[in-house]
Amino acid sequence: QVQLVQSGAEVKKPGASVKVSCKASGYTFTGYYMHWVRQAPGQGLEWMGWINPNSGGTNYAQKFQGWVTMTRDTSISTAYMELSRLRSDDTAVYYCARASRDERWLQLDWGQGTLVTVSS
Amino acid sequence: EIVLTQSPGTLSLSPGERATLSCRASQSVSSSYLAWYQQKPGQAPRLLIYGASSRATGIPDRFSGSGSGTDFTLTISRLEPEDFAVYYCQLHAWTFGQGTKVEIK
Repeated sequence: QVQLVQSGAEVKKPGASVKVSCKASGYTFTGYYMHWVRQAPGQGLEWMGWINPNSGGTNYAQKFQGWVTMTRDTSISTAYMELSRLRSDDTAVYYCARASRDERWLQLDWGQGTLVTVSS
Repeated sequence: EIVLTQSPGTLSLSPGERATLSCRASQSVSSSYLAWYQQKPGQAPRLLIYGASSRATGIPDRFSGSGSGTDFTLTISRLEPEDFAVYYCQLHAWTFGQGTKVEIK
């Protein structure tokens, strides 16, 4: 079955960067877009962008352009999301989510989430 | 930018009751790109409905979606204990509503 296993919780200082990984299994990694969505404590969901694991092409939400980088390593079926210049309001749970093959905007299967805490 | 507004913010109901959740778009949208997700505390969201009215794989038929234009509805016909959660509507990939919490009365 489809599994998305994310890296563990991180604590970072303001101004630092964080890189979260999402290891996929149970399907052909390059066949499905991967989204990244975050959720601040007690808040709603915020879409950050997607990556096409086949081509490496990306589409970032305007808010995150110049600030987020999504990459992938097809040899190990893993997607990455790196956020730079962290601020305290970047404290959130970060999720990867596999898209539907036919509806690339649709987030079908989700990772367990990675808590990133930004604190001095 | 299209904004999705969900109402009510909190819905207090008893198991077995019917839940009706609303999602209103700030302008007319294609129902093809409207989805609903369920999220329980400490868990990732789960896709329930896509294309406004199609149930995702494995979703019980007590969940149904409807609507078009600017007004969309998620209905849970008879609440089961496991249905008490937060529900989000979504337009395309990038716009989420603020959520409706369905809590036990």
